[in-house]
Amino acid sequence: DAGVTQSPTHLIKTRGQHVTLRCSPISGHKSVSWYQQVLGQGPQFIFQYYEKEERGRGNFPDRFSARQFPNYSSELNVNALLLGDSALYLCASSLVPAEQTEAFFGQGTRLTVV
Amino acid sequence: AQSVTQLDSHVSVSEGTPVLLRCNYSSSYSPSLFWYVQHPNKGLQLLLKYTSAATLVKGINGFEAEFKKSETSFHLTKPSAHMSDAAEYFCVVSDPGTYKYIFGTGTRLKVLA
Repeated sequence: DAGVTQSPTHLIKTRGQHVTLRCSPISGHKSVSWYQQVLGQGPQFIFQYYEKEERGRGNFPDRFSARQFPNYSSELNVNALLLGDSALYLCASSLVPAEQTEAFFGQGTRLTVV
Repeated sequence: AQSVTQLDSHVSVSEGTPVLLRCNYSSSYSPSLFWYVQHPNKGLQLLLKYTSAATLVKGINGFEAEFKKSETSFHLTKPSAHMSDAAEYFCVVSDPGTYKYIFGTGTRLKVLA
């Protein structure tokens, strides 16, 4: 069975550009969450989507947006990139957003902003 | 507010000796707690989870953790370290309102031959 897949695995962008990261959850999972992991730190919550609706948002600026599609895949968009946006972006999928439900993470997208 | 504190940023053990990675949590509710492992340049893999059932939780690769409410702790242990255990370990609490995960700062485990 395929796990959580993210694309691309790596990319380099210039300050001010826009980036789109993609995530396909495990088959049957309806909830997708996004996390940002800066080098040397634990992941920080950005968004959670369930049934195509935003169910949670972390403390990130409006330059960050996301959406979930009818097939439950998701995109994370970041506008006006800053050097500080350089990080590993992780997507996690779960059956439903529930406290006791474990999340399964993808390998991440390594974004470098220069 | 939920939070977790990982008490050691780095732990070094010799191969074949026990591993102890410490985590304290703060929660207004009965928490759901998890341990994840991250190998270099990899995503996060779930080791084990606590969800108010048995207080001693067994996970993959010989790891286990004990939930101690009186000490607000959820320490991760393994009887005998293997070289392949070298990685970053994250203690995680699930926020009951938003179901987001709140991560600790991580503990880097080094296993010496």
